[in-house]
Amino acid sequence: GNSVTQMEGPVTLSEEAFLTINCTYTATGYPSLFWYVQYPGEGLQLLLKATKADDKGSNKGFEATYRKETTSFHLEKGSVQVSDSAVYFCALSEGTGFQKLVFGTGTRLLVSP
Amino acid sequence: KAGVTQTPRYLIKTRGQQVTLSCSPISGHRSVSWYQQTPGQGLQFLFEYFSETQRNKGNFPGRFSGRQFSNSRSEMNVSTLELGDSALYLCASSLDAGGETQYFGPGTRLLVL
Repeated sequence: GNSVTQMEGPVTLSEEAFLTINCTYTATGYPSLFWYVQYPGEGLQLLLKATKADDKGSNKGFEATYRKETTSFHLEKGSVQVSDSAVYFCALSEGTGFQKLVFGTGTRLLVSP
Repeated sequence: KAGVTQTPRYLIKTRGQQVTLSCSPISGHRSVSWYQQTPGQGLQFLFEYFSETQRNKGNFPGRFSGRQFSNSRSEMNVSTLELGDSALYLCASSLDAGGETQYFGPGTRLLVL
């Protein structure tokens, strides 16, 4: 079946450091790919998405590129802030017509001042 | 536009009881999906509803059920609660059923004692 693999956390960075969170996927067909973020005590917020190969999703300084050849969708940010501390989930949508999302295990990011 | 709302936000039940959780989607959204989030299993898909019909179901026992009303509001029910049902239950809505982006509510945190 379809699956998403994320790097283990926590990722601990100092403010203004460069962030990469790795995400790879296994899927049949051509899924859409998403990054969601979860702040403590809250639900999931959509951070960015990409719907086809070579698409780049971006939002709030975060970016991720849909790489079909490496089945990857790594999340990057050039300069993290303390307010970026949260859990980040990579997910794929299993196909047109169905809403089921398959999530990775999540990566906790801790940013210190 | 108001986001996805879920009620109640917190719930404590005892084993053997049943519980009903409610989700109101974003205005105009017709598709609602439910997910269970636990520390051990992560985020798992429960079911998806569109136009009052269940379109997809995850790998959960029959104690988990749901429904959608004509105004797109959805409820999920868990009967004969078990300790392992303690989790954050997240509802997500999307505009339509064609692989659209899902927007999540804050969740209902259920504790089973």
